[in-house]
Amino acid sequence: SAVISQKPSRDICQRGTSLTIQCQVDSQVTMMFWYRQQPGQSLTLIATANQGSEATYESGFVIDKFPISRPNLTFSTLTVSNLSPEDSSIYLCSVFADTQYFGPGTRLTVL
Amino acid sequence: AQRVTQPEKLLSVFKGAPVELKCNYSYSGSPELFWYVQYSRQRLQLLLRHISRESIKGFTADLNKGETSFHLKKPFAQEEDSAMYYCALRTGRRALTFGSGTRLQVQP
Repeated sequence: SAVISQKPSRDICQRGTSLTIQCQVDSQVTMMFWYRQQPGQSLTLIATANQGSEATYESGFVIDKFPISRPNLTFSTLTVSNLSPEDSSIYLCSVFADTQYFGPGTRLTVL
Repeated sequence: AQRVTQPEKLLSVFKGAPVELKCNYSYSGSPELFWYVQYSRQRLQLLLRHISRESIKGFTADLNKGETSFHLKKPFAQEEDSAMYYCALRTGRRALTFGSGTRLQVQP
């Protein structure tokens, strides 16, 4: 199994600024994912971040807007840049161990 | 491209009634199918997966490849089953693809 923590749990940011979300896992995992859950919507995969390689972004998501770091097998960050109100969402970190586990999410509100 | 469809946004039943949450998928190969549940103020967690063919909290789901469905069923709903349920699909070593979710409301 894997236990995932995320920081911050929530934040309110001004338009044009950036927010970096941290994801910490209690065990070493190769495959780590970042999802977005917009209000009333399902989870949409942003990118896959495997340690030792560049993140792979899904259609509609670009590195300039969502840069990701994956310095080791237990940690990753997702930055949401140049924030606009449309970025208001819950951002979830997820890892694949024996199955896919999810963090508690970071609720971002952009004013 | 793979796709997961959950046609019902909300399913409301009375306690003790049977429940069926529908899930259909589109994928040409052999996917892995899952049901995830999110209770109020809790994180998303795995409920069951088709390869284990188990019953969790009284819920079962059978993969029907002919109908490309993976419906979630429970014969007698309980109030504590009220939650958001997501059907998800995994192919190869990729991340899960989720359906839009169904909110199950079990009334007393």
